[in-house]
Amino acid sequence: DAKTTQPPSMDCAEGRAANLPCNHSTISGNEYVYWYRQIHSQGPQYIIHGLKNNETNEMASLIITEDRKSSTLILPHATLRDTAVYYCIVKRGSSNTGKLIFGQGTTLQVKP
Amino acid sequence: DVKVTQSSRYLVKRTGEKVFLECVQDMDHENMFWYRQDPGLGLRLIYFSYDVKMKEKGDIPEGYSVSREKKERFSLILESASTNQTSMYLCASSDASGLNEKLFFGSGTQLSVL
Repeated sequence: DAKTTQPPSMDCAEGRAANLPCNHSTISGNEYVYWYRQIHSQGPQYIIHGLKNNETNEMASLIITEDRKSSTLILPHATLRDTAVYYCIVKRGSSNTGKLIFGQGTTLQVKP
Repeated sequence: DVKVTQSSRYLVKRTGEKVFLECVQDMDHENMFWYRQDPGLGLRLIYFSYDVKMKEKGDIPEGYSVSREKKERFSLILESASTNQTSMYLCASSDASGLNEKLFFGSGTQLSVL
């Protein structure tokens, strides 16, 4: 599975959009991009995933570049409760092992 | 919503004790997983199971065993706890669609082995 690179930390003002980047330049054609987050003292929480097209759900939007080498998770109106570590993970869709490799992620601090 | 429940939030055990960590999910998921999380090392997969009575080793199975007698329950067993097993243990489940890795995690058990 492809490796991902994320900035270690980011700040965002409450109410503003938080844009979290992820680089996955070695991604293969059958690999999905997943985003999870982990709020302090809780288990990770699934946010969104995508293959080629941009995706949106009630939590966030996922923008994948045309060459699929990078992506951006967008939290449209960040709140203090969005302060968490955000993990970008690349995984083959046909592999049903649950062996998600959670790297160091990006610590997002939402400030009042 | 899927609920994954871990029996204890905090646990303190002595070196050499046999420790049972229990996990129950309520969404009839086929797949269940045990991870441990340590600062600087991220989440590491210990064991997983695709079905009742089935188990597969993850990346760090040494010192652990698992049991899955019922579909909804997946137990992690530390046969003889050691101090290096002090960690946050996370259980997760997913359905067997195979097309995505949408895992649902429990809140975790912080285990301290003294």
